[in-house]
Amino acid sequence: DTGVSQDPRHKITKRGQNVTFRCDPISEHNRLYWYRQTLGQGPEFLTYFQNEAQLEKSRLLSDRFSAERPKGSFSTLEIQRTEQGDSAMYLCASSFGTGKTSGINEQFFGPGTRLTVL
Amino acid sequence: AQSVTQLGSHVSVSEGALVLLRCNYSSSVPPYLFWYVQYPNQGLQLLLKYTSAATLVKGINGFEAEFKKSETSFHLTKPSAHMSDAAEYFCAVRTVSSASKIIFGSGTRLSIRP
Repeated sequence: DTGVSQDPRHKITKRGQNVTFRCDPISEHNRLYWYRQTLGQGPEFLTYFQNEAQLEKSRLLSDRFSAERPKGSFSTLEIQRTEQGDSAMYLCASSFGTGKTSGINEQFFGPGTRLTVL
Repeated sequence: AQSVTQLGSHVSVSEGALVLLRCNYSSSVPPYLFWYVQYPNQGLQLLLKYTSAATLVKGINGFEAEFKKSETSFHLTKPSAHMSDAAEYFCAVRTVSSASKIIFGSGTRLSIRP
């Protein structure tokens, strides 16, 4: 078990370009979360998958953002037509949970992808 | 809606001194509460969690936190600070929705003076 991994760790792009990030969760975890963390703030929830189904999206997730988890394993987060306001750390987390609110569902976080939009 | 508020964006203590990081929560139901630590350019690591089993929760690296319902608080303490404790600390609450997403506070940066 190597924990949650994210790729790339850093991404610098020009405004208007598209970027895609990848998250590989802990292998037996069925739940996967994306969070965004801006400088000096705590992480904010973006979206959540249970297996391959995207079950919840934050209002922070504009139409330019799309996330997928095609086979219920790794996930990708794509940002189209990036803006300078998208500059942030994008964190992925995974957990194992069954039922609606079962258990503590501890989330394990990856190292994050730091996006800089010039 | 559930939320947490961290009092003090920056705390500085001397090495060997008591560490106290403050967190107050708001929740209409018994909460699940967490403290996470984040070292520079790294992800979040769970320090400890409160799940209603015991009000005094012990975590890793000598940290502990006490759940006080009457004060709606979940302050983090460590008796003796070490230089390696310098990091950003986040208090968080888990929502009761099926998503079980975590709501984080704005964080407290802990600095340790030699």
